[in-house]
Amino acid sequence: DAGVIQSPRHEVTEMGQEVTLRCKPISGHNSLFWYRQTMMRGLELLIYFNNNVPIDDSGMPEDRFSAKMPNASFSTLKIQPSEPRDSAVYFCASSLNGGRDTGELFFGEGSRLTVL
Amino acid sequence: GENVEQHPSTLSVQEGDSAVIKCTYSDSASNYFPWYKQELGKGPQLIIDIRSNVGEKKDQRIAVTLNKTAKHFSLHITETQPEDSAVYFCAARDSNTGKLIFGQGTTLQVKP
Repeated sequence: DAGVIQSPRHEVTEMGQEVTLRCKPISGHNSLFWYRQTMMRGLELLIYFNNNVPIDDSGMPEDRFSAKMPNASFSTLKIQPSEPRDSAVYFCASSLNGGRDTGELFFGEGSRLTVL
Repeated sequence: GENVEQHPSTLSVQEGDSAVIKCTYSDSASNYFPWYKQELGKGPQLIIDIRSNVGEKKDQRIAVTLNKTAKHFSLHITETQPEDSAVYFCAARDSNTGKLIFGQGTTLQVKP
C-alpha cells in the first residue's frame, strides 16, 4: 500500500488567498484525521471523519477553515482566506475504526504551508 | 479533558547510551498510550503502545512503562543508534472523546 498521500507537499501563498490541501487515506481505512503541527502548539487535531461523516470538528480554529470528505478515498482541508498565522505543517492520518481497535494512526508526510 | 505533558523537550545522548522520555497525563480513565516517532520531513509513525491493563511492554531496544497510580508513562530506548535521532511524541486517549492527545514532543539527538 502507498500509505496516506497528501498534496501539495509545500505551498507558499499570500495572505488572503484560498488554500486547499488534499488527502488520500489508506484503502480500507474508514477514519480520517486532519492535524496541524506548529512549534508553539505541537500536534493539534482539527477534525476527524468516520465513514466520510465529520464526527468532531471542535479543533477547527475558526470559520476560515473547512474540511470535506466526499468519498472514502479523498478529503480536503480548505483555508479561505489564509493568514500568516495559519503557517504550519498539516498532516492527514487514517485508521481503522478511529484507531480504537489497533490504536494506530497512519500519517501522511504532511503539507507545509507558508502564508506570507 | 485530557492533558499530556512531556519531558524533556530536547535530549542528547552518546551512541550506545540509553534515552528516557517521560510523560504525565491527567485523565485517570485513559486506557491507551502510544508513542510516535517523527523523522525529519516525515509524518509521525507509531513505534510502540501500551494499554492500561499492563505495566510494561518491550520491543527489542524499545520499552514503555506505565504507572497508572501516578499517571505517568515513559519510553526507554537502550543501545541508542544515530538512526534513533528524531522527534518522539507520547499520547494518551481521552476517555470521553476518544481523541488522542499528544505531548509537545522530545527531540532526541544521538551523537556517533
